Amino acid sequence: DGGITQSPKYLFRKEGQNVTLSCEQNLNHDAMYWYRQDPGQGLRLIYYSQIVNDFQKGDIAEGYSVSREKKESFPLTVTSAQKNPTAFYLCASQERETQYFGPGTRLLVL
Amino acid sequence: AQSVTQPDIHITVSEGASLELRCNYSYGATPYLFWYVQSPGQGLQLLLKYFSGDTLVQGIKGFEAEFKRSQSSFNLRKPSVHWSDAAEYFCAVLSGGSYIPTFGRGTSLIVHP
Repeated sequence: DGGITQSPKYLFRKEGQNVTLSCEQNLNHDAMYWYRQDPGQGLRLIYYSQIVNDFQKGDIAEGYSVSREKKESFPLTVTSAQKNPTAFYLCASQERETQYFGPGTRLLVL
Repeated sequence: AQSVTQPDIHITVSEGASLELRCNYSYGATPYLFWYVQSPGQGLQLLLKYFSGDTLVQGIKGFEAEFKRSQSSFNLRKPSVHWSDAAEYFCAVLSGGSYIPTFGRGTSLIVHP
């Protein structure tokens, strides 16, 4: 089955620790996106990538980093510089005008 | 710049009643329009989309939406709501010159038995 997978489903971060969220797609889409979702705030764009080896900052990129070494993969690292990382993180890929989403990762701070 | 407004933060309906969720967009030309649904703790699922042509669009799960250019609206409807429809609904717009959609803040649907 084609789709987008995110792992883990839940992730716990200790203070000062960097953590990486995985996003993989087998839809052969060029574009991939990371969003952060907080209650009542909708979706906020963190980073996006239109093609392999290229990515752009979104509206709230501070404290996050990404890489795009393979078409299928777009991992997001939440660094220790992100002081309020508790949120639900959504990965999406895009075919022409339409975005398709993964199941999400919930990040919690210990 | 494109923008989208979902005026209702919460909507409560009884099971079996009809539903209409509002979405208004701000853009001069006809944009691409989308509705997504999100169940608690899950990702967004595409319900339907409008690009051009017939202004009444049919989607999955018995939903439909109507594009009204004169009102800059793309409201989502369902004739009879089921308890399983309780979820968060997001409208999104993508306009010419941009390849990144703008999402509304969402409407939370509560279904009473």
